[in-house]
Amino acid sequence: DQQVKQNSPSLSVQEGRISILNCDYTNSMFDYFLWYKKYPAEGPTFLISISSIKDKNEDGRFTVFLNKSAKHLSLHIVPSQPGDSAVYFCAASPTDYKLSFGAGTTVTVRA
Amino acid sequence: NAGVTQTPKFRVLKTGQSMTLLCAQDMNHEYMYWYRQDPGMGLRLIHYSVGEGTTAKGEVPDGYNVSRLKKQNFLLGLESAAPSQTSVYFCASRASGSSYNEQFFGPGTRLTVL
Repeated sequence: DQQVKQNSPSLSVQEGRISILNCDYTNSMFDYFLWYKKYPAEGPTFLISISSIKDKNEDGRFTVFLNKSAKHLSLHIVPSQPGDSAVYFCAASPTDYKLSFGAGTTVTVRA
Repeated sequence: NAGVTQTPKFRVLKTGQSMTLLCAQDMNHEYMYWYRQDPGMGLRLIHYSVGEGTTAKGEVPDGYNVSRLKKQNFLLGLESAAPSQTSVYFCASRASGSSYNEQFFGPGTRLTVL
């Protein structure tokens, strides 16, 4: 049973506009949430994270929002650039050392 | 720093053959992981290790074995490969004191079982 769900398999956005990626989770014990970015033929790379005591974390063009009551988090990319075209994985961790991953969302940024 | 490296990058096996995938990390990380990635399934944890000489089962361990004889290496073995094990395999590692449980991934091994 998947505890982390990304219900949108793909997202297409015009260059310069905002990309919003969504992620839902079921386990209320998750304490940390991470986003990974993956290019074809490469391993995932860490993008941004947030702990459950915060509701927002910002790093340059990337902002992650956490709504604990709704068990929902989102990643905003503003402005979107062609190099942002990749697969984005949402991941969540309880207080131990494992991560549960969502199925991923493929983002395509159109020129 | 090479980070996390995986050998081989590609492999084609016949059903019933065996092979070992090698993962090496040079960051002195305590924790190491093996995942498989399949279309529409995300990354699923096969086995993991919290230190040299220790291993534990993840979400999808059946058909795989692992060993962590040295801190920097984590081996994934397939004793008798099956077509269902066709996948992309990723190794990852993590420092024991990391704030957000951030894992560092290798480039992956693409395995096809015919």
